[in-house]
Amino acid sequence: EPEVTQTPSHQVTQMGQEVILRCVPISNHLYFYWYRQILGQKVEFLVSFYNNEISEKSEIFDDQFSVERPDGSNFTLKIRSTKLEDSAMYFCASSQLAGGTDTQYFGPGTRLTVL
Amino acid sequence: AQRVTQPEKLLSVFKGAPVELKCNYSYSGSPELFWYVQYSRQRLQLLLRHISRESIKGFTADLNKGETSFHLKKPFAQEEDSAMYYCALHTGTASKLTFGTGTRLQVTL
Repeated sequence: EPEVTQTPSHQVTQMGQEVILRCVPISNHLYFYWYRQILGQKVEFLVSFYNNEISEKSEIFDDQFSVERPDGSNFTLKIRSTKLEDSAMYFCASSQLAGGTDTQYFGPGTRLTVL
Repeated sequence: AQRVTQPEKLLSVFKGAPVELKCNYSYSGSPELFWYVQYSRQRLQLLLRHISRESIKGFTADLNKGETSFHLKKPFAQEEDSAMYYCALHTGTASKLTFGTGTRLQVTL
């Protein structure tokens, strides 16, 4: 069964550094998402992406964040200058149709630790 | 703004006992509700969604618009049900899911 994959599984970085989190969505899916979960807190929506542009973003997704689909398979989340509070588990998800009408399939997550 | 509340952080039950994981939501329109499950060291996966009205692994959930609830139930808990359960809400044309804080279900012998 096809799955969403994410790399790396764990990323450690220094505050102020740029990080890129990578995701490979399920191949015939058209909608892509990033969520994050700070330790002990709820899973929070960051951004959704369709047809090569952001379709929705949350307040968390400020100018420090960007997303890209650089080729036909990868979907990346870039944090330009990491802060301590960016430490979290980041989940990528994809769906064939828009989020409410179809299931969002989640990747295993990337644990980001900012020191 | 939409919100999902899962009042219990931890629910511990004995094997064979009934389970009810509570979920309440706030949204003025027509919601779509989901239950996601995360087994130890595994990814979040969809357990069930209210529009399907199906039973998965013995779990059911009924949307009660009057009480704005979508509680997850299973008549007889099994050890393999031990996991983290998240209730999630999708609203309108927005693409995002709004999650609750999750309830850890612990099934003991």
